[in-house]
Amino acid sequence: SYELTQPPSVSLSPGQTARITCSGDALPKQYAYWYQQKPGQAPVLLIYKDTERPSGIPERFSGSSSGTAVTLTISGLQTEDEADYFCQSADSDGNHVLFGGGTKLTVL
Amino acid sequence: QVQLQESGPGLVKPSESLSLTCTVSGASISSNNYYWGWIRQPPGKGLEWIGNIFYTGSTYYSPSLKSRVTMSIDTSNIQLSLQLRSLTAADTAIYYCARAHYSGYDYYFDLWGQGILVAVSS
Repeated sequence: SYELTQPPSVSLSPGQTARITCSGDALPKQYAYWYQQKPGQAPVLLIYKDTERPSGIPERFSGSSSGTAVTLTISGLQTEDEADYFCQSADSDGNHVLFGGGTKLTVL
Repeated sequence: QVQLQESGPGLVKPSESLSLTCTVSGASISSNNYYWGWIRQPPGKGLEWIGNIFYTGSTYYSPSLKSRVTMSIDTSNIQLSLQLRSLTAADTAIYYCARAHYSGYDYYFDLWGQGILVAVSS
């Protein structure tokens, strides 16, 4: 079955740049989406269609795509960026949604 | 301001069925641009998509849950419903309803409810 693979955890210091990858065989054909989830809260959409940012999302958050991987980049890390990040895409027919396993970002 | 609110039991016994409702306020549920979805998250774990439903009643379900899931939609009362049958402890999770923006070829979730924790235990 089709899967999206993310690193379980990333740990960085404030001011650094985080790059979280998500890999999957269908990603060259399907868009990827990114969500941020802080403890006790519902996920929030960060990036849609690989690179687009919804209104209200800071420019520090950006997305890119290359082949079978997509990357969420967070520049100038702040302590408030500490959260779980999930990628999402679809299978080949576009009708079934998939989530990556999530990446826990620690900023300390 | 569009809001989604899940409601239902917080505790269900093994082998029984779970019924959850999501009430949408501030928006019409009958839009060609959106599906409406259910996603769950076991405590401390990742997100799992359950399914999406269109206002016409058209549904897509996760292959792993398809045999136990039924989703429905009530456009007059602006509510979505989720039924999950034959519950086990593995179904213990926070259940979210969410608005799924439909771009013509895939979906993404641009608005989420706060979630409801459902525990499966005797």
